[in-house]
Amino acid sequence: AQSVSQHNHHVILSEAASLELGCNYSYGGTVNLFWYVQYPGQHLQLLLKYFSGDPLVKGIKGFEAEFIKSKFSFNLRKPSVQWSDTAEYFCAPRGDKIIFGKGTRLHILP
Amino acid sequence: DSGVTQTPKHLITATGQRVTLRCSPRSGDLSVYWYQQSLDQGLQFLIHYYNGEERAKGNILERFSAQQFPDLHSELNLSSLELGDSALYFCASGGGGQETQYFGPGTRLLVL
Repeated sequence: AQSVSQHNHHVILSEAASLELGCNYSYGGTVNLFWYVQYPGQHLQLLLKYFSGDPLVKGIKGFEAEFIKSKFSFNLRKPSVQWSDTAEYFCAPRGDKIIFGKGTRLHILP
Repeated sequence: DSGVTQTPKHLITATGQRVTLRCSPRSGDLSVYWYQQSLDQGLQFLIHYYNGEERAKGNILERFSAQQFPDLHSELNLSSLELGDSALYFCASGGGGQETQYFGPGTRLLVL
């Protein structure tokens, strides 16, 4: 069965701090990996995605994620966060269907 | 703006009632996905339609049903509503393969 786990439910950081949000998944076959972001009061938007090739993918707004196949992980990173990054972040692996993690609420202190 | 539209934006109804949520996908997209987002359950995949046919089912209750019409818009029907059905219902559209999904603004349902 397919599953996904996001390790952090709430994260509070100060501006300019570095960010890493953990995501682990389980699935026996080929999987595509997505991170979506939901800003307050808005709909979900794609942040970045991995299908194949270079395991380090870059997304919008300075975000990046690294696919580590041996660890079944797809952690999201950003070297220096901004107040405008306050949002909820969802990891979403897609095997035979897409499933979303429970989300990580990120709050950036100005 | 993702190009996906959902109506209505807000819906308030009573327990036992039935409602219909509507979704219009982005131009050219053949897939429509429905999701339920609540505080306790997070974002739950309900159902996926591709070009009018059901492709995959997730955690969709028997009281809920969906369909996709020839013009590719989709409707999610929720019946015998319960308090616990109060949630934000999103639809998303995509091309049909292992593609990015584009989410609509959602319909916020409140069951009193």
